[in-house]
Amino acid sequence: EVQLVESGGGLVQPGGSLRLSCAASGFTFSNYWMHWVRQVPGKGLVWVSRIKGDGINTNYADSVKGRFTISRDNAKNTVYLQINSLRAEDTAVYYCARGAWLSYYFDSWGQGTLVTVSS
Amino acid sequence: QSALTQPASVSGSPGQSITISCTGTSSDVGGYNFVSWYQQHPGKAPKLMIYDVTNRPSGVSNRFSGSKSGNTASLTISGLQAEDEADYYCISWTSSSIYVFGSGTQVTVL
Repeated sequence: EVQLVESGGGLVQPGGSLRLSCAASGFTFSNYWMHWVRQVPGKGLVWVSRIKGDGINTNYADSVKGRFTISRDNAKNTVYLQINSLRAEDTAVYYCARGAWLSYYFDSWGQGTLVTVSS
Repeated sequence: QSALTQPASVSGSPGQSITISCTGTSSDVGGYNFVSWYQQHPGKAPKLMIYDVTNRPSGVSNRFSGSKSGNTASLTISGLQAEDEADYYCISWTSSSIYVFGSGTQVTVL
């Protein structure tokens, strides 16, 4: 069974940094693109970033380029999202999701981790 | 990249059919058969309902179907049931090698 478990969220001051983690199990992690999606409370889903199985190829939404960095450790079956210069508008639930094999959708999701940016 | 356009809300009575539209451009919805749909209940993670425009994952009711015409994709729920009350989001792959979600639609079962 595919499982994705996010962690690392919490309360952070504006301007601070945070690294989110998503631990994967139940599949050959290195074979899959992994994604981060965020959702401001009460608002819609927004795709944030993705990383290829080899960890080399990455893509980002224009709104987060330069402040967010996605990475992965295939030995630990974990994908990360480093968020710098946090702003109030980064307050959201952050989900990791597995990219489908040979297509462009998300076939498994984690339960999400809440990041709150506030002083 | 602007969000794909979905109606904010759609409602129907039990047993009826409803359709949710998802309008983009030729650079996303119209350019690729890579539109998927997700159902989200309050406080829960999204769940895949339709992928690659028309395909239904195993375990998803055949009351859910997808289609596309030009720059607009659609999700149809037939035989509406109380458990279908949720938020629905479309998402498309784009020519910029990124994804764009729809604005989301709240489905209410009257």
